[in-house]
Amino acid sequence: AQSVTQLGSHVSVSEGALVLLRCNYSSSVPPYLFWYVQYPNQGLQLLLKYTSAATLVKGINGFEAEFKKSETSFHLTKPSAHMSDAAEYFCAVSRGPYGGATNKLIFGTGTLLAVQP
Amino acid sequence: DVKVTQSSRYLVKRTGEKVFLECVQDMDHENMFWYRQDPGLGLRLIYFSYDVKMKEKGDIPEGYSVSREKKERFSLILESASTNQTSMYLCASSLQAARLRFEQFFGPGTRLTVL
Repeated sequence: AQSVTQLGSHVSVSEGALVLLRCNYSSSVPPYLFWYVQYPNQGLQLLLKYTSAATLVKGINGFEAEFKKSETSFHLTKPSAHMSDAAEYFCAVSRGPYGGATNKLIFGTGTLLAVQP
Repeated sequence: DVKVTQSSRYLVKRTGEKVFLECVQDMDHENMFWYRQDPGLGLRLIYFSYDVKMKEKGDIPEGYSVSREKKERFSLILESASTNQTSMYLCASSLQAARLRFEQFFGPGTRLTVL
C-alpha cells in the first residue's frame, strides 16, 4: 500500500536561508509524486510533480525536488527563502501505477514553513 | 486556467442540520474529489467521482454522501451535521487522461463550523 511521511510538522528558516522540507514515500509500484502549497485561507496549488521522467524536478517559485528511489525520498528544496514562501506544504503520492485505474492521491500531514526576517 | 469554485468560504450550521457543499469546475474534468482537512491529519479523501452519477467511497465516507448530476458539479452532503464534522472541506478535479489524472486542481475550500 502507498503511504507518505513528512518529517517535521513545523519548519522555521531565516529569509535567504536554504529551505528543505522532507518527504518519504512507500509504494509497491513506480509512484507519481507531488508537492502542493497552501497559502493561508486558500486551496492547494501544485508546486511540482515527478512522473518518472527526470529525477530532478523544477517547480514554480524557485522550488525543486529530487526523486531518490534508493532512499524512497522526494524532498523539496529552495536555495533562498523569501517571506512569501511562508505557507503549508503537502507531499502526495499516487495510489496506483501509471497504467492503472486509480486516480487518487495520498497526502502527507503537511509541513508549515515559517520564514523569519 | 482551471478554475474550481466552492459555493461558500465559511459556513456555520447547527447540529442535525442537512448541509450541502457545492463545487463547480470549468475545465471539463472527468474526476472530482471531496477532501476534509484537519490540523495534523493532512487531507483525507471523503468521496470521489469519475463520471456523472458515478461515485466511490474514499477513506472517511461515514456521515457524508455525494451527488454528481452534471459533469461540472459535485456536491457533498452532510445528512445530519455533527460537531465532529467541523473542518475545512476541499474540492478538487482532474482529467482522466493517463499522464494527467493524478494532477488535481483545488478549490479555495469551505470552512464549516457545526455548533
